[in-house]
Amino acid sequence: EPEVTQTPSHQVTQMGQEVILRCVPISNHLYFYWYRQILGQKVEFLVSFYNNEISEKSEIFDDQFSVERPDGSNFTLKIRSTKLEDSAMYFCASSGTPDTEAFFGQGTRLTVV
Amino acid sequence: DAKTTQPPSMDCAEGRAANLPCNHSTISGNEYVYWYRQIHSQGPQYIIHGLKNNETNEMASLIITEDRKSSTLILPHATLRDTAVYYCIVRSSGYSTLTFGKGTMLLVSP
Repeated sequence: EPEVTQTPSHQVTQMGQEVILRCVPISNHLYFYWYRQILGQKVEFLVSFYNNEISEKSEIFDDQFSVERPDGSNFTLKIRSTKLEDSAMYFCASSGTPDTEAFFGQGTRLTVV
Repeated sequence: DAKTTQPPSMDCAEGRAANLPCNHSTISGNEYVYWYRQIHSQGPQYIIHGLKNNETNEMASLIITEDRKSSTLILPHATLRDTAVYYCIVRSSGYSTLTFGKGTMLLVSP
């Protein structure tokens, strides 16, 4: 069964450093998303991406964040100058159309120390 | 904010049906009801969705009331592996973002 894969599963970084979280969406999907979940809190939408551009973003997704689809398979989330409060699980998801179900990866646990 | 209301927790005995309710009294005509679950901080897993007709797949059944103001997710024979947080989400047609609430923590016990 096709699945969304995320790497790494766990990333530890020092405050102020930049991190790149990587995702391989399901191969024939065209819509890509990043969500995050701070420990003990709700899953929060960050950004959606379609046709090589951001289609929607939340207020969390400020200038510190960027997304890119550098090739035909990867979808990345870059976090610049990480802060302690960026520590969270980051989930990538993809869907075939905006109306079909989104499938999530298993997440990257980001720990900022 | 989430447009749905769910009980914070429910218990179910293994092998019995788990019936998870959801209220979405402000749902509009072009909005679907989606159900996802999250097992212990893993990625959310899609379960089922519907517009107005009842739906069934290999995982669950979704019963939507005629006025569409509430729905019930049914896991017909719950197993210990069904212990998870279950999210009921209302999503507009053509609008891809999912807004998660706090969900219902379902505990399946032996």
